[in-house]
Amino acid sequence: QQQVKQSPQSLIVQKGGISIINCAYENTAFDYFPWYQQFPGKGPALLIAIRPDVSEKKEGRFTISFNKSAKQFSLHIMDSQPGDSATYFCAARKRYGGSQGNLIFGKGTKLSVKP
Amino acid sequence: DTAVSQTPKYLVTQMGNDKSIKCEQNLGHDTMYWYKQDSKKFLKIMFSYNNKELIINETVPNRFSPKSPDKAHLNLHINSLELGDSAVYFCASSQTGTGNPNEQFFGPGTRLTVL
Repeated sequence: QQQVKQSPQSLIVQKGGISIINCAYENTAFDYFPWYQQFPGKGPALLIAIRPDVSEKKEGRFTISFNKSAKQFSLHIMDSQPGDSATYFCAARKRYGGSQGNLIFGKGTKLSVKP
Repeated sequence: DTAVSQTPKYLVTQMGNDKSIKCEQNLGHDTMYWYKQDSKKFLKIMFSYNNKELIINETVPNRFSPKSPDKAHLNLHINSLELGDSAVYFCASSQTGTGNPNEQFFGPGTRLTVL
């Protein structure tokens, strides 16, 4: 059972364009939604995160939009650069219940930004 | 200044062997994790551990066992290796109660190949 669904699986964007990656969840026990960035041969690293009491969070060119009623959140990368080419993972943390505090990851989106 | 380190980086071994992967964090965190990333880049948590509790993902075979000699180390032991164990294994750590809840810092990964 996939608790966090991420799309698309891969994305190709021209330099300067906007990259959009979407995630959806079912479990209302989730209370924290981070995005991780992974470059080839490296471990994932936290990019930006949001709590469900906020509808949007922006850090530089990266923005998370959060729709609590729809149980969806998305990552927007403005002015995409070739250096942004990486695999992006959305995740969600369980507030209570089994495996409390653990992150559940989406399946990842491979982003390629063409020069 | 490596925050989370793993050894070895690459591990090639025969089916049926027993192997260990070591993980150390110098961040003073109280919780450590092991993840498995398969060939499709899917990140799946295997264990989370702090000095109070070990949480095991129920899908992890009991051939896998974490060992924590102290708060800064969480090693992964794998018995009777199988072909399907081939993957990249990531160690991560986090500190409970900080401003960015459950931000996990990942190690560089260990690529395990079972022949």
